[in-house]
Amino acid sequence: EVQLVESGGGLVQPGGSLRLSCVASGFTFSSYSMSWVRQAPEKGLEWISYISSSSNTIFYADSVRGRFTISRDNAKNSLYLQMNSLRAEDTAVYYCARVSGVYYSPEDYWGQGTLVTVSS
Amino acid sequence: EIVLTQSPGTLSLSPGERATLSCRASQSVSNSYLAWYQQKPGQAPRLLIYGASSRATGIPDRLSGSGSGTDFTLTISRLEPEDFAVYYCQQYGRSPPKTFGQGTKLEI
Repeated sequence: EVQLVESGGGLVQPGGSLRLSCVASGFTFSSYSMSWVRQAPEKGLEWISYISSSSNTIFYADSVRGRFTISRDNAKNSLYLQMNSLRAEDTAVYYCARVSGVYYSPEDYWGQGTLVTVSS
Repeated sequence: EIVLTQSPGTLSLSPGERATLSCRASQSVSNSYLAWYQQKPGQAPRLLIYGASSRATGIPDRLSGSGSGTDFTLTISRLEPEDFAVYYCQQYGRSPPKTFGQGTKLEI
């Protein structure tokens, strides 16, 4: 069974930093690309970042480029999102998701999400 | 960036009825790289349809997707109680970013 478990969310002040983690199981993590998608409270879904299986290809949404960094450790079956210079508008549930193929493929499995709240 | 507009915002129907959800793109979605997701309160999204019309694993044939270019539709032929949720379309073309529609809430 495919499982994705996010952690690392919490309350952080504007301008602060946070590192999210996602541990994968039930599939060969090193063979799959991964994405981060977020959802602000009572809002829709926003794709924010993608990393290929070997970390060779990385994409970001304009809203986070230059502030967030996606990375992975295939030996630890783990995906990360380093978030710096956080703003109130970054408040959201952050989901990690498996990409079913190359970049131009849908996200086929999702974690339950971790909540990030940016507030003073 | 491709903008997806879903309609209606809210759809009120009863179990057993047919639901038709629309997703319109601001420009053509290449190779029908269009997916549909279902999200229930407090849960993660679940992939339903990819490639505009292919059902994901375990999705019943009551759900079907159609369309190409800029106009796409998700149809649920006979609503079951578990179908009442929010539905999002997503385009995942070759050039980032991937984008989602704003969602359609299907309510009883």
